[in-house]
Amino acid sequence: DGGITQSPKYLFRKEGQNVTLSCEQNLNHDAMYWYRQDPGQGLRLIYYSQIVNDFQKGDIAEGYSVSREKKESFPLTVTSAQKNPTAFYLCASSTGTSGSDEQFFGPGTRLTVL
Amino acid sequence: GQNIDQPTEMTATEGAIVQINCTYQTSGFNGLFWYQQHAGEAPTFLSYNVLDGLEEKGRFSSFLSRSKGYSYLLLKELQMKDSASYLCAAMDSNYQLIWGAGTKLIIKP
Repeated sequence: DGGITQSPKYLFRKEGQNVTLSCEQNLNHDAMYWYRQDPGQGLRLIYYSQIVNDFQKGDIAEGYSVSREKKESFPLTVTSAQKNPTAFYLCASSTGTSGSDEQFFGPGTRLTVL
Repeated sequence: GQNIDQPTEMTATEGAIVQINCTYQTSGFNGLFWYQQHAGEAPTFLSYNVLDGLEEKGRFSSFLSRSKGYSYLLLKELQMKDSASYLCAAMDSNYQLIWGAGTKLIIKP
């Protein structure tokens, strides 16, 4: 079955620790995205990548880093510089970035920093 | 600035019809998406409109007026499983999605 996987579903970390969230897709999509979702707010774009070995900052990139070494994978690292990292993180992919390309979402990772 | 507005919460009765409105202001426009999101789960695609008018897909329909910066999602014959949040997102001139905060729809028997 084609789709996007994110692991783990729940993640707990101590303050000051870096943590990496995984995102893998087997849809052969070129574009991948990371969003953050907080209660009462719309999804906010952290980083996106339109092609392997290239990525761009979204609206709230500070305190996060990504890599895109393979087409299938787009891991997100939440660093200790992120002031308020507790949130629901969603990874998505699409065939491209033209208007009608819907984004397919993974199941999300809920990160709690203690 | 860029902005999407939609009601925070709506309540409807099983079997009825509900309309969820969305207004948008974006730098350029390349279409309007509606997604459904059940609590704690991933958003799933419902519809895409780029031209004015109504697109019907089973029990769900979506309408767009580009001149008014307005869209709505119409859900007919409501079922309990339709209880979810409905997210409106507009694509700007850079092909980036600007998301609304979502409308939580509560269905009562």
